[in-house]
Amino acid sequence: DADVTQTPRNRITKTGKRIMLECSQTKGHDRMYWYRQDPGLGLRLIYYSFDVKDINKGEISDGYSVSRQAQAKFSLSLESAIPNQTALYFCATSSPPPTSPQYFGPGTRLTVL
Amino acid sequence: QKEVEQNSGPLSVPEGAIASLNCTYSDRGSQSFFWYRQYSGKSPELIMFIYSNGDKEDGRFTAQLNKASQYVSLLIRDSQPSDSATYLCAVNMEYSGAGSYQLTFGKGTKLSVIP
Repeated sequence: DADVTQTPRNRITKTGKRIMLECSQTKGHDRMYWYRQDPGLGLRLIYYSFDVKDINKGEISDGYSVSRQAQAKFSLSLESAIPNQTALYFCATSSPPPTSPQYFGPGTRLTVL
Repeated sequence: QKEVEQNSGPLSVPEGAIASLNCTYSDRGSQSFFWYRQYSGKSPELIMFIYSNGDKEDGRFTAQLNKASQYVSLLIRDSQPSDSATYLCAVNMEYSGAGSYQLTFGKGTKLSVIP
């Protein structure tokens, strides 16, 4: 079984709808991250969490919110989806740096019409 | 501003050749460096990490680090068409002092291996 899972894998929704993307991990890592990736723009950090009680904004948090329900679960919500939130979304996990890499889930392809 | 710079490519090499991918970073205090491979539409996959100056080899892959020049590279020997992908360089950089680190990604170099 995969160490980091994301659901759904694909989602098409309409402008103004609320949607939630979910991430679960079995790696036992404390740190979890949400990124979006757009062609030519690379990975951009939306939110990150160092533990259940510690949540931090990334560089592009506007229009998004997160919930860390447990050490293993980190959800990303779009309160009112808009078309420019169409992107590939990745969840990642890590142990504390400075020597730790991040491990990525398979991604969610989100389309907002 | 903390930055990781990569040439976006595309870098085209013939099958069997050596592909050389380069990355520079802005934080002189960075301690760990990673290379990820990302196929189109898929998630980044960790393929190499390096912490010390010099070379680190793993199969057909060699990571090279020069902290004085703030430069890290990835060499792929005997390149195969299956190596065609985007390669992301990532560097753990210190933010806000006090040992707070964040992994910063470059935008990636697209590699195309021509049969």
